[in-house]
Amino acid sequence: DSGVTQTPKHLITATGQRVTLRCSPRSGDLSVYWYQQSLDQGLQFLIQYYNGEERAKGNILERFSAQQFPDLHSELNLSSLELGDSALYFCASSDWTGWGDTQYFGPGTRLTVL
Amino acid sequence: EDKVVQSPLSLVVHEGDTVTLNCSYEVTNFRSLLWYKQEKKAPTFLFMLTSSGIEKKSGRLSSILDKKELFSILNITATQTGDSAVYLCAVLQGAQKLVFGQGTRLTINP
Repeated sequence: DSGVTQTPKHLITATGQRVTLRCSPRSGDLSVYWYQQSLDQGLQFLIQYYNGEERAKGNILERFSAQQFPDLHSELNLSSLELGDSALYFCASSDWTGWGDTQYFGPGTRLTVL
Repeated sequence: EDKVVQSPLSLVVHEGDTVTLNCSYEVTNFRSLLWYKQEKKAPTFLFMLTSSGIEKKSGRLSSILDKKELFSILNITATQTGDSAVYLCAVLQGAQKLVFGQGTRLTINP
């Protein structure tokens, strides 16, 4: 158990809908990262937040957005869902001192878009 | 374009064998290289390598980084069925994002 929690574990929804994935980082970690894992793309970095501020962006679609709240939990919002958005979404956290700390991954949320 | 390439993509061996998994990278603003093991769901952290030539060990697993030749290897000795998993190599870029390889699917047969 990495100490990173994610809810829900599974999510099944229809095309065009909007969902919110939630992540609580390990105690003391200020940095949260979101990744998408699909069969054809592997693990892809989406976005990083540090202490409430966006720090880095990867290949995140405009339909997706994220935020980190004062209690450091983070939410990833996915809207206008398409079939191709079906994937495992992981959250990771680190305390990010700026020298590349280890990222610890949560159990993931499996999103299925029908 | 930043890339991390792992080989082989798939490997099937017998229990007790020794395996070597390879990872080569071309990534700008390299900070460190990490190995993860992914079984059913979340990748679990194995090693973080920052300096060239220094081997990291944990039980039957060991890993080393060559920053000149831009590659790393992960060795597993005396393999057990519980070692069956996908092993992921990732490069930490700019202390922010991890760039992952495709993974090596390792299957250990009894």
